[in-house]
Amino acid sequence: NAGVTQTPKFQVLKTGQSMTLQCAQDMNHNSMYWYRQDPGMGLRLIYYSASEGTTDKGEVPNGYNVSRLNKREFSLRLESAAPSQTSVYFCATTGVYQPQHFGDGTRLSIL
Amino acid sequence: AQSVAQPEDQVNVAEGNPLTVKCTYSVSGNPYLFWYVQYPNRGLQFLLKYITGDNLVKGSYGFEAEFNKSQTSFHLKKPSALVSDSALYFCAVRGGSGNNNDMRFGAGTRLTVKP
Repeated sequence: NAGVTQTPKFQVLKTGQSMTLQCAQDMNHNSMYWYRQDPGMGLRLIYYSASEGTTDKGEVPNGYNVSRLNKREFSLRLESAAPSQTSVYFCATTGVYQPQHFGDGTRLSIL
Repeated sequence: AQSVAQPEDQVNVAEGNPLTVKCTYSVSGNPYLFWYVQYPNRGLQFLLKYITGDNLVKGSYGFEAEFNKSQTSFHLKKPSALVSDSALYFCAVRGGSGNNNDMRFGAGTRLTVKP
């Protein structure tokens, strides 16, 4: 029962450390997205990729980088983690004019 | 730019009673409206959408939503709530461009259904 797979599910980092969040989809969709979810703020778009080889900034891109490795995979990198980046991160994918399909999230704590 | 407001952080209803979760939106052009549900430690799951056509949209798990253009609202409803409906509900709007990068989510409403 596939869809969107995110790894890891949980992670604790120290301030200044780096890490990469992985996302893979098997829905053959072109578009992929990274969101962060914070209490009382809903979901905010960090970066998105409309197709393989392209990436664009969303609402809150500062402190993040992304790579669209191929059609299936879209990774999010924190180069130097900060406590303000403590959040739940969701990857999503979609087809044109379709609802988004979400992974189960990565819960990231930065101390 | 698009925006969504969910005016209630929390909605409490008794099992068997009707429920309404409110959503209002602001968008240029024709809106594409969505409702998602989130259970603990899970991603958002699609419930229903309005693109065009009938103002009353039916979705998964017995939920429906009414699009009201004059009031710029898209309230989620269910005639008879179940305890298992307890979850976090998000309204989302996308502008007429159809670009998903324009999607904006509300802050969410926590629905609690008590036995």
